[in-house]
Amino acid sequence: QKEVEQNSGPLSVPEGAIASLNCTYSDRGSQSFFWYRQYSGKSPELIMSIYSNGDKEDGRFTAQLNKASQYVSLLIRDSQPSDSATYLCAVNPRAAGNKLTFGGGTRVLVKP
Amino acid sequence: DGGITQSPKYLFRKEGQNVTLSCEQNLNHDAMYWYRQDPGQGLRLIYYSQIVNDFQKGDIAEGYSVSREKKESFPLTVTSAQKNPTAFYLCASSESGVGSEQYFGPGTRLTVT
Repeated sequence: QKEVEQNSGPLSVPEGAIASLNCTYSDRGSQSFFWYRQYSGKSPELIMSIYSNGDKEDGRFTAQLNKASQYVSLLIRDSQPSDSATYLCAVNPRAAGNKLTFGGGTRVLVKP
Repeated sequence: DGGITQSPKYLFRKEGQNVTLSCEQNLNHDAMYWYRQDPGQGLRLIYYSQIVNDFQKGDIAEGYSVSREKKESFPLTVTSAQKNPTAFYLCASSESGVGSEQYFGPGTRLTVT
């Protein structure tokens, strides 16, 4: 079992719709969770961090964390073609200091 | 502007040659990291450093070496012992606390033929 798992996609979403991305992790003691956006050929850009159960909203992005079920999700509301990218989930496992473990990423395509 | 710089953006080398990738940050971060990304894959940790003059191996350190003589700089050398060096190399930095957010440089795309 991979430590951090994501559906590779592509997730195809009509413009204006909600894109829903999921990430599961294996270390129950993980404390910190991050979502990065990576455009093709570019480096990852941090878009959300979440540390406690529940929802965290930032503009059109909402991160949801459920530690009991060991998943973290990202919702993108009013999806735009500029949201087309690969979204990487990263987790800070227990006893890993500040090292992150990354999932393989979910590719999102927003169609006009 | 604060940020992380990596140079060069593209690098081409012949097999058997060592090559050093540069990473500099002016964010005053204590911790720095090197990752490797292969096409369609996530990021894998090569080396990381929590403080000057100290660094630890990540998950795929074989064939790589690093130094951390200054807080701002964390160069990565890809040696001839690395069997598959062609990849996208990403440097990141963060504050030293557990759970700190990591920020990435623009990356260096290395091609070895």
